[in-house]
Amino acid sequence: QKEVEQNSGPLSVPEGAIASLNCTYSDRVSQSFFWYRQYSGKSPELIMSIYSNGDKEDGRFTAQLNKASQYVSLLIRDSQPSDSATYLCAVNSPLGSNTGKLIFGQGTTLQVKP
Amino acid sequence: KAGVTQTPRYLIKTRGQQVTLSCSPISGHRSVSWYQQTPGQGLQFLFEYFSETQRNKGNFPGRFSGRQFSNSRSEMNVSTLELGDSALYLCASNSASSTDTQYFGPGTRLTVL
Repeated sequence: QKEVEQNSGPLSVPEGAIASLNCTYSDRVSQSFFWYRQYSGKSPELIMSIYSNGDKEDGRFTAQLNKASQYVSLLIRDSQPSDSATYLCAVNSPLGSNTGKLIFGQGTTLQVKP
Repeated sequence: KAGVTQTPRYLIKTRGQQVTLSCSPISGHRSVSWYQQTPGQGLQFLFEYFSETQRNKGNFPGRFSGRQFSNSRSEMNVSTLELGDSALYLCASNSASSTDTQYFGPGTRLTVL
C-alpha cells in the first residue's frame, strides 16, 4: 500500500463546476497535510495547508481533513480553465513534526473544459 | 520577499559524470529539503538540512549527497551519473517553525545522456 494515494485522473470538469480531489494516507500519526498545484513543466506551488479535522477555506479552495478516515480532499469551486494542472497531496513524515520530509501522492490531473 | 532560487535551471551530462546543484532558500528560512521528481516515481524525498546538519534522509544511494552552508544555502551532488538520474530536482524551503510548510524553487532539470 502506498503511503499517500491519489486517483491519477484525469478528472475532467466543465468550467464553473466544482472539482473534487481526494487523497488517502496510511500513517495515522501524520500531522500536516498540504495541497500543491503543479503546471506542466513547472514546480509545485502551495495552495492549502490543513492540520485539524474539518474544513479550511481560502477563496475558491476548500480543504477537508478527516483523520479518523485518513482522508483529505480539496474542493475547487467555480473551476476555471487556468485551474487545469496536476494537484499533489502531501503529508508530513510520520516520524514527527517538521522533519523536513513530505510524502507526496502521484498527483491528480485536473482538466477544466471551457 | 524573494522566493527560493535554484541554479542551474537546466543541465545536460553524460553517464559517469558528476553534478552539483545549488539552492538558496527564502530569506530567514533555515531548512532546505531536496526532492527528485520523475514521471514514473513522482516526487521523492532525498534529504533535508537544517542549520548545516542533515536531519533526515530518503532512500537513495550514496551517490546522492548534500550539504548546507552557514547562510542556509544548500548544494546537492550526484556522482557517477546514471541514465535513471534524469529528473527534475526540486529544493524546498521551510522556516522550520512548528509548521512544516515547504515552498518549492523552480527546479533543475537534469538530463543524463
